[in-house]
Amino acid sequence: GAVVSQHPSRVICKSGTSVKIECRSLDFQATTMFWYRQFPKQSLMLMATSNEGSKATYEQGVEKDKFLINHASLTLSTLTVTSAHPEDSSFYICGAGRQNQPQHFGDGTRLSIL
Amino acid sequence: DAKTTQPTSMDCAEGRAANLPCNHSTISGNEYVYWYRQIHSQGPQYIIHGLKNNETNEMASLIITEDRKSSTLILPHATLRDTAVYYCIVRVAGYGGATNKLIFGTGTLLAVQP
Repeated sequence: GAVVSQHPSRVICKSGTSVKIECRSLDFQATTMFWYRQFPKQSLMLMATSNEGSKATYEQGVEKDKFLINHASLTLSTLTVTSAHPEDSSFYICGAGRQNQPQHFGDGTRLSIL
Repeated sequence: DAKTTQPTSMDCAEGRAANLPCNHSTISGNEYVYWYRQIHSQGPQYIIHGLKNNETNEMASLIITEDRKSSTLILPHATLRDTAVYYCIVRVAGYGGATNKLIFGTGTLLAVQP
């Protein structure tokens, strides 16, 4: 149980393109979803937290207009990197959680901006 | 949330028990100890969590000291597939339908040697 699916697993695109990443909880309803970013040889850095049906809460230093988060249902959240540039290249990971249960994670999306 | 301190890296021989320590001297009474691991280029995987009692599941055992200021994750028979970065995180359990965010430190890189 507690499977989180993330899609796509890898994306390569040109600078200026907007990229959407999907995160789905397959066998449970996630009241909260989390988006992380991880640069090479570094730990995961939390970008934002979103609750179903409400606006996401962004961590300090994360641009909300750059990283658009939508959490339309209890099983789906999306992260859109708008007008991506090479410095946005990273490993993006989503986590999904529910009340008093451990958070579970997707397998990540490796984003490469040329 | 309380901070944690872990060794940067550890080695373990295949088939032997791997004991990963974690210090959390500022832990609060309502904070749980969570352990996750991240195998290269994948999302974090939940291992185990506990409040004050020792816990065991199919993956590992968690030993928490009586004063709760430190804990040890035990992998009873390490295999090469257990090579990963192991994260010890303390946080309050989620209440009211929201799951609190996880803040990842640098973790311990466990290298299981053949």
